[in-house]
Amino acid sequence: GENVEQHPSTLSVQEGDSAVIKCTYSDSASNYFPWYKQELGKRPQLIIDIRSNVGEKKDQRIAVTLNKTAKHFSLHITETQPEDSAVYFCAASIGTGGFKTIFGAGTRLFVKA
Amino acid sequence: DAGVIQSPRHEVTEMGQEVTLRCKPISGHNSLFWYRQTMMRGLELLIYFNNNVPIDDSGMPEDRFSAKMPNASFSTLKIQPSEPRDSAVYFCASRRGQGTGTEAFFGQGTRLTVV
Repeated sequence: GENVEQHPSTLSVQEGDSAVIKCTYSDSASNYFPWYKQELGKRPQLIIDIRSNVGEKKDQRIAVTLNKTAKHFSLHITETQPEDSAVYFCAASIGTGGFKTIFGAGTRLFVKA
Repeated sequence: DAGVIQSPRHEVTEMGQEVTLRCKPISGHNSLFWYRQTMMRGLELLIYFNNNVPIDDSGMPEDRFSAKMPNASFSTLKIQPSEPRDSAVYFCASRRGQGTGTEAFFGQGTRLTVV
């Protein structure tokens, strides 16, 4: 089955710096890669996603890249702000009669003011 | 739309008791997922349904766990008997569509504590 690995588990950056979180997946049939942000005590919420026919997608300070050959995808946050502090999860979805979504272990991001 | 609704928000129960968690997906969504979140294991997919039919329950930890979806607007996750290691936050999520990957919307979660 699909396995998603995520690194690092913890990331601390200074406000204004960039943050990069990397994920790899195992099943080459995976074709949808969402990223979720979870603030303390709250539910995970989608922040950006990318499909397998696209190599890069950007939304303001957030960008995702996908390398299908290497089965890598990454989240880039530029000009980080304290409110970016949260746990970020990458995920991979594979269509097997309804699209099962498997999550990485999460990255706890701390943005220091 | 009220989003995915889970109940209860918090549940404290004694070991050996039966626990039932409830979920109402977003209207019109045809896929429903149950996840368990712990510090040690992160977000684990327990089971997912498509059009009310269980598609993959390989993540259900053992026979003590069972899930049902009797109709498009309601699902339950039952643990019987419960054990302290079942303590976690249980999330339900729903999604529209099946032909391509789409965003899954999460409920607020149920924080289960088994003492």
